[in-house]
Amino acid sequence: KAGVTQTPRYLIKTRGQQVTLSCSPISGHRSVSWYQQTPGQGLQFLFEYFSETQRNKGNFPGRFSGRQFSNSRSEMNVSTLELGDSALYLCASSSDRTSSYNSPLHFGNGTRLTVT
Amino acid sequence: DAKTTQPPSMDCAEGRAANLPCNHSTISGNEYVYWYRQIHSQGPQYIIHGLKNNETNEMASLIITEDRKSSTLILPHATLRDTAVYYCIVRVGISNYKLTFGKGTLLTVNP
Repeated sequence: KAGVTQTPRYLIKTRGQQVTLSCSPISGHRSVSWYQQTPGQGLQFLFEYFSETQRNKGNFPGRFSGRQFSNSRSEMNVSTLELGDSALYLCASSSDRTSSYNSPLHFGNGTRLTVT
Repeated sequence: DAKTTQPPSMDCAEGRAANLPCNHSTISGNEYVYWYRQIHSQGPQYIIHGLKNNETNEMASLIITEDRKSSTLILPHATLRDTAVYYCIVRVGISNYKLTFGKGTLLTVNP
């Protein structure tokens, strides 16, 4: 079974621009969540989508948004980029089925975003 | 979620067992213990999880004390590729989309 796939792997953007990151979950997984990882703050939860609906959101500004498509693939968008947005952005998926509610999250290898 | 405490770093000789401890003294009855690891520049990799019984899979064993206040992840025969940051996370099983990662333990496996 293929794992969580994130594209692109690396991205360099300029302050003020916007960026879209893509995530394809493991086949059959309906829950997709996004995390930001920086050396100073560690791994922080951004938001989670299930059946095309945002179910939960972390403590990030409105510049960070996302969406999920009917095939469970998800995109994350960051508008008006700031230098502090430079980070590794990680996507994770889980099956989130009632019968296996303790199914673990499986992460992709992330997109490394550098804002200059 | 219950807070976890892990040593910041540990060393292990290649081929020996690596035993990584985690303290979670405020764990609730319905909270699971999860272990993940992260190798540099990769996403966190799920290793194992458990509620109260000891668990074993192809990667590792998880030993949870009877009072559930601490656990130990055991890598039976550590290799150089096991060098990584290991995270112990406690989380209620339902809707486990939001994991709170601490600083973890940097395990260095030496030749």
